Amino acid sequence: EVQLVQSGAEVKKPGESLKISCKGSGYSFTSYWIGWVRQMPGKGLEWMGIIYPGDSDTRYSPSFQGQVTISADKSISTAYLQWSSLKASDTAMYYCARGHGDYVNYWGQGTLVTVSS
Amino acid sequence: QSVLTQPPSVSGAPGQRVTISCTGSSSNIGAGYDVHWYQQLPGTAPKLLIYGNSNRPSGVPDRFSGSKSGTSASLAITGLQAEDEADYYCQSYDSSFNWVFGGGTKLTVL
Repeated sequence: EVQLVQSGAEVKKPGESLKISCKGSGYSFTSYWIGWVRQMPGKGLEWMGIIYPGDSDTRYSPSFQGQVTISADKSISTAYLQWSSLKASDTAMYYCARGHGDYVNYWGQGTLVTVSS
Repeated sequence: QSVLTQPPSVSGAPGQRVTISCTGSSSNIGAGYDVHWYQQLPGTAPKLLIYGNSNRPSGVPDRFSGSKSGTSASLAITGLQAEDEADYYCQSYDSSFNWVFGGGTKLTVL
């Protein structure tokens, strides 16, 4: 059974750094891209970027380029999303998603990130 | 403003048919990229509903169907049920923005 299990909810202060994770299981982790999707409170889905764990090729949506870093450790089948300096506007639910071609067929359960002073 | 445009809301009575549109441009849907649809029930992660414009994953009822024409796509839901009340998102690829979602449509079952 394919599963994407994300790390737990986080509460951080503005300016702090953060790295959240997404562990894949039940499939060949290096054979499918992993993407990250942001959903701000009461808002829609936004693509942040994707990574191909096999070769670490990473592509960012223009809105998120330079704002976050996406990485993966194929030895432990885990993808990451990190911030070096959080802002209040980063408060959102973040989903990881496994791609098949150009669509997502599996989603993580989501990680809620709250940034507040 | 999303690259793909969806109506913010649609509604219908149980048993009725509703459609949700997804309008793009020549850099995404009109360029031949496929459209996919996701259903997001309240408080849950999205779920794939339609892929490749009109294909249903295993387990998705045939009450859900998708189509694409020109720079637009549509999701149709027939025999509306209370459990269909959710947010629906279209998704495609854009030559400038990479992967893109529509703004989402909230379906209310009256």
